[in-house]
Amino acid sequence: ETGVTQTPRHLVMGMTNKKSLKCEQHLGHNAMYWYKQSAKKPLELMFVYSLEERVENNSVPSRFSPECPNSSHLFLHLHTLQPEDSALYLCASSQLGLAGDVTGELFFGEGSRLTVL
Amino acid sequence: AQSVTQLDSQVPVFEEAPVELRCNYSSSVSVYLFWYVQYPNQGLQLLLKYLSGSTLVESINGFEAEFNKSQTSFHLRKPSVHISDTAEYFCAVSSSASKIIFGSGTRLSIRP
Repeated sequence: ETGVTQTPRHLVMGMTNKKSLKCEQHLGHNAMYWYKQSAKKPLELMFVYSLEERVENNSVPSRFSPECPNSSHLFLHLHTLQPEDSALYLCASSQLGLAGDVTGELFFGEGSRLTVL
Repeated sequence: AQSVTQLDSQVPVFEEAPVELRCNYSSSVSVYLFWYVQYPNQGLQLLLKYLSGSTLVESINGFEAEFNKSQTSFHLRKPSVHISDTAEYFCAVSSSASKIIFGSGTRLSIRP
């Protein structure tokens, strides 16, 4: 496999369920990201991991819990979600520069479409 | 703080017509600018980027964008669109470590 792969592609869950989204990158990058894409809204940056350390957490509710066990894998653990959390969740990876800045390309997976009933 | 504004949520054009998708940004420091494209049921892909040097940047499929510092704009243009260009286009800006901020997207629909 190449690029960034996300599983599952579709997920339907109730508000009391616990589930996880998985992302894997095969590009040797040193940073991974979770974005939330909702209709007619800008992509919302949720979390950034650089060299497996969380470097960005944009005031995301605690019902979303990220995990980065190594530089190739990123998880988003979900529990007690709300219907407004229904969205497309996109994972991305990149190679950060020496200063830790994003000058290169973000490589995105195809996303996990989440529906919360 | 940085922000990105895409002024048009939808742009309908006829095939072979020219198109311009507008993007304005705000930032107090130097920026890197990007356009990404999202085809139906796919993730985002980089279309082109401006890091430094020439203010006019081009993609392999005929799109171009010009960085205009005085107007804080990075509009995307193509002189003649094709049906296959139907997609959503996202402008993005990066100026701080490890962070890219995206606009709300412009849906380009091509009519035959």
